[in-house]
Amino acid sequence: KNEVEQSPQNLTAQEGEFITINCSYSVGISALHWLQQHPGGGIVSLFMLSSGKKKHGRLIATINIQEKHSSLHITASHPRDSAVYICAVLYGGSQGNLIFGKGTKLSVKP
Amino acid sequence: NAGVTQTPKFQVLKTGQSMTLQCAQDMNHEYMSWYRQDPGMGLRLIHYSVGAGITDQGEVPNGYNVSRSTTEDFPLRLLSAAPSQTSVYFCASSWGGVREQYFGPGTRLTVT
Repeated sequence: KNEVEQSPQNLTAQEGEFITINCSYSVGISALHWLQQHPGGGIVSLFMLSSGKKKHGRLIATINIQEKHSSLHITASHPRDSAVYICAVLYGGSQGNLIFGKGTKLSVKP
Repeated sequence: NAGVTQTPKFQVLKTGQSMTLQCAQDMNHEYMSWYRQDPGMGLRLIHYSVGAGITDQGEVPNGYNVSRSTTEDFPLRLLSAAPSQTSVYFCASSWGGVREQYFGPGTRLTVT
């Protein structure tokens, strides 16, 4: 079965710390998404990657296709970064094959 | 643009009742999907559509029906609600799996 594994499941950090969240998957993919789910429940898209690295503000996402692994980094973390971060991968080209990880719950303390 | 809208935000049903969760998007996206989110599990795909008139089943389709008569709307019907359908339901739209995904605010459904 195609699976997406995220680590850690829970992460507590102090404000200002550098955060890394990892995502591993089992077979070849077409794309990988990083999503953020706010404490209120809303889900927003952060990045879509098929290779290399993307940066948006304090967020950086990388993917290593050969190792089947992606990381989401947050520099200079802030309490407003507290959320659940979700990795999702697309196996094949169809929208129907988007598989989600269970999420990493991040709490940033002031 | 309103983006992806879902109604209702909250709903309580009794076992056996039927209802429709509404989803609409104003971005002219081809792809629309319904997911359910349960504690300790990732989002799971219920049904999806790649365009008006075209729908297909996802991972957990049993007990749910969909139709897509217009590009904008993708309602999810619960035929006979069961307690196992207690969940948070999200609708999403996009130009495809390799494009940015847009999610609605979710519907929290409780079946008693």
